[in-house]
Amino acid sequence: QSALTQPPSASGSPGQSVTISCTGTSSDIGGNKYVSWYQQHPGKAPKLMIYEVSKRPSGVPDRFSGSKSGNTASLTVSGLQAEDEADYHCTSYVGSNKFIFGSGTKVTVL
Amino acid sequence: QLQLQESGPGLVKPSETLSLTCTASGGSISNSNYYWGWIRQPPGKGLEWIASIYYSGSAYYNSSLKSRVTISVDTSKNQFSLILNSVTAADTAVYYCARRPDISGHFDYWGQGTLVTVSS
Repeated sequence: QSALTQPPSASGSPGQSVTISCTGTSSDIGGNKYVSWYQQHPGKAPKLMIYEVSKRPSGVPDRFSGSKSGNTASLTVSGLQAEDEADYHCTSYVGSNKFIFGSGTKVTVL
Repeated sequence: QLQLQESGPGLVKPSETLSLTCTASGGSISNSNYYWGWIRQPPGKGLEWIASIYYSGSAYYNSSLKSRVTISVDTSKNQFSLILNSVTAADTAVYYCARRPDISGHFDYWGQGTLVTVSS
């Protein structure tokens, strides 16, 4: 199964919003509610930002939001801040306790 | 607060076996509410799920790696392990261990990761 498709890069100025897409198929994103997003700063481990499409773990700012339409999930970062500059990865459950990740998107704060 | 720590050789020769262990502290591997997994990231690339295991030993593998991978759990040591056979340069990556809550699709705690380089 191929990786979920994400744009290689995205950018925005401080205070603006940026939206990252994650496109899969009806066998993964389109087929269940278990889509999650991770933030990864250089040299660090990924950090869970969104789970079950749109839920935020405790401690994650509400500037981060998630949504899904059909086979595409999206992560929106509103009110961009310098510390939001990082790589973002999506993942989807594909059944039978198996998972698939996206190709990753580098977000740059201009 | 759960902490996960990967350990193992940082350099493996081509065709040999990669062996990593993840040790949990601040939480029990035997907790029935969680699965435990391995995820890797080649330099400059995205993440790839490798395998997951339940404390009972039930294991699940990425189809593309299944023929070369074994995941196991040792509840007495609060550890779980990964073995990857017949490695090539394409297996060079940072390897992370992580926890997944049962009946969920996300990984909520991650180790810091360990770089494994495959080279002669």
